[in-house]
Amino acid sequence: QVQLQESGPGLVKPSQTLSLTCTVSGFSVNNDGHFWGWVRQQPGQGLEWIGHSHNRGGTYYNPSLESRVSISVDTSKNQVSLTVTSVTAADTAIYYCARDWGAFHPPDRWGQGILVTVSS
Amino acid sequence: QSVLTQPPSLSGTPGQRVSISCSGSTSNIGSNSVTWYKQLPGTAPKLLIYIDNQRPSGVPARFSASKSGTSASLAISGLRSDDEAAYYCAVWDDSLNGLIFGGGTKLTVI
Repeated sequence: QVQLQESGPGLVKPSQTLSLTCTVSGFSVNNDGHFWGWVRQQPGQGLEWIGHSHNRGGTYYNPSLESRVSISVDTSKNQVSLTVTSVTAADTAIYYCARDWGAFHPPDRWGQGILVTVSS
Repeated sequence: QSVLTQPPSLSGTPGQRVSISCSGSTSNIGSNSVTWYKQLPGTAPKLLIYIDNQRPSGVPARFSASKSGTSASLAISGLRSDDEAAYYCAVWDDSLNGLIFGGGTKLTVI
């Protein structure tokens, strides 16, 4: 059974870079049928798609975040990574790793999420 | 404000049937398949419906969904106390070239 587990620092200072890793087990990120991405949820708010990437390199990003985010798939470690640069308090959120069953489809599997707080 | 419009809140009594709407446009619901999620407080979203009206294994038949034109809806029959949660619709938007979520509907079982 596929499992996704997010990891990374829970606290990041303003203007710094947020970096998270998602370790996938029970399924290969090298599978051609899926994209791997991230969704976040600010405190008390709804879900916001960040973007997703394919093991062969095709990547899509939320236009509102595209200038600051990067998602990559590491097939050797079966991991997915997210970086967000120049963070502000508005980037404080629970970050979910997710498996998408295609380029134009929403997630079918989610990690448990990791809370990242941006504060000095 | 989300491109997909859902009612912020809804309430029902045990045993009742409720319906949650998701209104979009030709570039999203009108062109692509809709997915629905259930999110309990403090937990990750759980897949309820995919490709407009398909239920993954393990999701009870009490949950059903439909789509017409640029709107979709999720119906829950035989409402139970553990249906109390937030429900989100999601779909790819061809104009934004990205995935969008509805603002979510908080369902309260009275």
